[in-house]
Amino acid sequence: DIQMTQSPSSLSASVGDRVTIACRASQGISNYLAWYQQKQGKVPKLLIYAASTLQSGVPSRFSGSGSGTDFTLTINSLQPEDVATYYCQKYNSAPRAFGQGTKVEIK
Amino acid sequence: QVQLQESGPGLVKPSQTLSLTCTVSGGSISRGSYYWSWIRQPAGKGLEWIGRIYSTGTTNYNSSLKSRVTISVDTSKNQFSLKLSSVTAADTAVYYCMREGISSGGDLEDVWGQGTTVTVSS
Repeated sequence: DIQMTQSPSSLSASVGDRVTIACRASQGISNYLAWYQQKQGKVPKLLIYAASTLQSGVPSRFSGSGSGTDFTLTINSLQPEDVATYYCQKYNSAPRAFGQGTKVEIK
Repeated sequence: QVQLQESGPGLVKPSQTLSLTCTVSGGSISRGSYYWSWIRQPAGKGLEWIGRIYSTGTTNYNSSLKSRVTISVDTSKNQFSLKLSSVTAADTAVYYCMREGISSGGDLEDVWGQGTTVTVSS
């Protein structure tokens, strides 16, 4: 099975900072990569799919890039409401593995 | 707008079988090219994909749980179900059901249920 590895596991940044989260697949998955945001006690929310396509309604400060095995989620100008845990997930085939998550906090 | 709702016991004894059902509303479980899946999340931990089923009955499971998991579908009730046998405290988690789908244009059409908490304890 393909494994998904995220880094870092947590980060603390100031409001207005640019934040970058990495996700690596153990084998190539083309661009079948989604990013989810999960706030405390809530259902995960889809932010980005196809590695770089912004889901409708998601603020444009979120962006994604990558293909194959290496992917990045970027939050430009971090906002207080972005405090959450972010997960990548592959969806090219089963199992649709998740990364272990990256917890984003405000400094 | 399709909606999913999990249901089942919130407390299961160790060594017993955890059984959950997901009821789909706003759309037929047997229409479209969708998979119907289960995901879980222990408190304070990450998301774990458990497995999925297609309306025809084809299943895929997480290899780490495969020996204990059965996912089934009842198209007449527009429901699909999860059974996890020989549970331990490590199976305590929020369990989510989900519709997995990709449109012909490549859009991800995933829809999540609200989740249900299952505690394994005697």
